[in-house]
Amino acid sequence: AQKITQTQPGMFVQEKEAVTLDCTYDTSDQSYGLFWYKQPSSGEMIFLIYQGSYDEQNATEGRYSLNFQKARKSANLVISASQLGDSAMYFCAMREGRTGGFKTIFGAGTRLFVKA
Amino acid sequence: DTGVSQDPRHKITKRGQNVTFRCDPISEHNRLYWYRQTLGQGPEFLTYFQNEAQLEKSRLLSDRFSAERPKGSFSTLEIQRTEQGDSAMYLCASSPDRVVAEAFFGQGTRLTVV
Repeated sequence: AQKITQTQPGMFVQEKEAVTLDCTYDTSDQSYGLFWYKQPSSGEMIFLIYQGSYDEQNATEGRYSLNFQKARKSANLVISASQLGDSAMYFCAMREGRTGGFKTIFGAGTRLFVKA
Repeated sequence: DTGVSQDPRHKITKRGQNVTFRCDPISEHNRLYWYRQTLGQGPEFLTYFQNEAQLEKSRLLSDRFSAERPKGSFSTLEIQRTEQGDSAMYLCASSPDRVVAEAFFGQGTRLTVV
């Protein structure tokens, strides 16, 4: 079964507008971490933001925020004030605790296109 | 320490040859991961280590693939008798030994099997 699901293969957003990239996950672990990475065309994986399963507040890092809804098992990434340089692939990832063997697994990704 | 480094960055090999990739993680990181990524897809988990112990190996990994991390430092990933389907980007990442700690990635090794 898919543990990380990203249902949007591609998304378009107008420059300076906000965009939400969806991510749902599946785990029976109580302790886990959720992460978002950006992969531009150059290929490097750039860490953006993380959320711990016990964190009550949504994580924020500059223009990135993570909309964490634990009961719904969703961890959507919100990018505010989109910039042309935000055009890239975005991956949601999860690291489970002991039951998941502490490994990090990734979703299939969403390609974001920012329009001028 | 400047981050995770992988060598080589690119490798072209003929079908049937063996190849070996190296990954040097961030020195204080206990965990080391190998992933495979094909065009337009997310990184696919292959295997990972805690120190020198290989804790899990994906069922996707055939017997032609083997990984080691002697002494819990650098790691090698070997592919024997390469096939065209092995062509992909092979990514290495490392992280501290905590659930909520991001993994840092290397630049990857792009393998092309001709």
